[in-house]
Amino acid sequence: NAGVMQNPRHLVRRRGQEARLRCSPMKGHSHVYWYRQLPEEGLKFMVYLQKENIIDESGMPKERFSAEFPKEGPSILRIQQVVRGDSAAYFCASSEGSFSYEQYFGPGTRLTVT
Amino acid sequence: QKEVEQNSGPLSVPEGAIASLNCTYSDRGSQSFFWYRQYSGKSPELIMFIYSNGDKEDGRFTAQLNKASQYVSLLIRDSQPSDSATYLCALRGRGGSYIPTFGRGTSLIVHP
Repeated sequence: NAGVMQNPRHLVRRRGQEARLRCSPMKGHSHVYWYRQLPEEGLKFMVYLQKENIIDESGMPKERFSAEFPKEGPSILRIQQVVRGDSAAYFCASSEGSFSYEQYFGPGTRLTVT
Repeated sequence: QKEVEQNSGPLSVPEGAIASLNCTYSDRGSQSFFWYRQYSGKSPELIMFIYSNGDKEDGRFTAQLNKASQYVSLLIRDSQPSDSATYLCALRGRGGSYIPTFGRGTSLIVHP
């Protein structure tokens, strides 16, 4: 039973470029959460999605960031016109239900903006 | 706003000792509490969750919750060098508040 998959694992972008991060939840999970972890800081919630719906995006920056979870395919976190402050580890987690106690994390994507 | 406070450490203990990791929180409405382990450069891994006052044991790990005092702790018995990692405390609020809030984590070093 494959776990949560994320790709790419490492991504380098120049300032102003776009970054696309992908997340495939565990089999049977339809709830996806994106988190960002800056160096020396805790995990910060960004957005919660179910298939084709954004449930909670209260942690998303208002500009440049967007997320989707289409009916088919992985969830995608998109960062437009990246800046150096976007350099961080981005983790995706999935759960079986919104009230499930357990969220399973993917290996993360390390984004470096040069 | 739910605040979760952890001592960043590092907490250094000798192999075989008991490691005690603590976490305090500000929101009395918090319902469920989680401990994650995160190795350097890796993703968080859920170790335990607890939602009732008292102790919950799983192998070498014991989670302790005291809602009146608003703290939750994690005890690791017979600590091993492989336990060296950062331990993240997280909590969730009342029903409907499904997004966990994480502390910054405590770095644990178990030395041989």
